[in-house]
Amino acid sequence: QSALTQPRSVSGSPGQSVIISCTGTTNDIARDQYVTWYQQNPGKAPKLIVYDVTRRPSGVPDRFSGSKSGNTASLIISGLQAEDEGDYYCCSYVGDYSYVFGSGTKVTVL
Amino acid sequence: EVQLVQSGAEVKKAGDSLKISCKASGYTFTRYWIGWVRQRPGKGLEWMGIIYGSDSDTRYSPSFQGQVTISADKSIGTAYVQWSSLKASDTAIYYCARLSLGYSGYELGYWGQGTLVTVSS
Repeated sequence: QSALTQPRSVSGSPGQSVIISCTGTTNDIARDQYVTWYQQNPGKAPKLIVYDVTRRPSGVPDRFSGSKSGNTASLIISGLQAEDEGDYYCCSYVGDYSYVFGSGTKVTVL
Repeated sequence: EVQLVQSGAEVKKAGDSLKISCKASGYTFTRYWIGWVRQRPGKGLEWMGIIYGSDSDTRYSPSFQGQVTISADKSIGTAYVQWSSLKASDTAIYYCARLSLGYSGYELGYWGQGTLVTVSS
């Protein structure tokens, strides 16, 4: 199972919106609604920010939102804030309790 | 409060064996799956495999099948990853994560703090 494809980096000024894409295949992203996104700050463990394509865990700001079309999922960060800097990973369930992660995207707030 | 507390950093030599742990608390261990994720220095996340707390049913990523052994001891609510012969390429941070935020789901909702394994050649 190859890693899902994400842009290496995206950047934006405070208050702007950025979109991170996550491209897979019919065997992962397109197969069902179990796409998740994780935020990882330097030296920290990943943190779940979006699950089931569009749902947010309690405590995650609503400026984070997810969507999916075909074999591409997207994470949108609206109203970018300095604290949003970090690495972001998509992840797709591929059946039989197996998963594949994206290659990761570094978000920089200018 | 759900917590996953992992064992401390390890420094080993190539060829050594190793077992790292992930102790769960704040929920019923036997009702959930716990997965393992590798992160090599400066690299992305890689799925290793997963184990069910009740009966130790285990699934491995093809990339890790035969390279590691995932196990669990439900009497103490702890999951493990072990290597019989480490390689320098096993140098990484290893994270455990519990499946689902609620009673069911496929998201990795709770994560341990990570265990750094350094293997010298």
